[in-house]
Amino acid sequence: GAGVSQSPSNKVTEKGKDVELRCDPISGHTALYWYRQSLGQGLEFLIYFQGNSAPDKSGLPSDRFSAERTGGSVSTLTIQRTQQEDSAVYLCASSLWQEQFFGPGTRLTVL
Amino acid sequence: AQSVTQLGSHVSVSEGALVLLRCNYSSSVPPYLFWYVQYPNQGLQLLLKYTSAATLVKGINGFEAEFKKSETSFHLTKPSAHMSDAAEYFCAVSPPNTGTASKLTFGTGTRLQVTL
Repeated sequence: GAGVSQSPSNKVTEKGKDVELRCDPISGHTALYWYRQSLGQGLEFLIYFQGNSAPDKSGLPSDRFSAERTGGSVSTLTIQRTQQEDSAVYLCASSLWQEQFFGPGTRLTVL
Repeated sequence: AQSVTQLGSHVSVSEGALVLLRCNYSSSVPPYLFWYVQYPNQGLQLLLKYTSAATLVKGINGFEAEFKKSETSFHLTKPSAHMSDAAEYFCAVSPPNTGTASKLTFGTGTRLQVTL
């Protein structure tokens, strides 16, 4: 079956612009996660959705970052007024139980 | 708070040699532990997981890991390295949870190089 998909695979933007990154989880998975992978910080948790519960936003680095999950499926991570330090690979994962399945990531470059 | 330490950012082994990648965790209670592998320009793939059942866990591609509570370790091993094992390996920890999954805290990763 289809795995986790993310789009776009690459995004280049100018400092100060807003960007939206999309994640399509595996059908039926109730949990959806966003992580960020960068050279300086490694793999960091950003935000987590579980069913209809309030999301765990404890990993979001600033209020410029937000995410939503519509209809318990697709999720969008939005970064407003991008900064150069936002350059990273943004990974999405979904799960039904303990095992998280990761997408290929979106590579964001902020010029 | 939970944390994971991976000793050695780079490990190089000869093809056919033993692979040993080290992971130590810090947690107030025995956590769930995971090893993921990442090939270039790809996402993370689960190799194996410990979720409080058997302490010796076997995973894909011939890898295994042993949970040692007394040493707070979860080292990854493979008896004989193959060229295709060259990748980056991440150890991760999550709170023990009998229900749905929880967020993962990752180590800094170990890049495995396999030479002829």
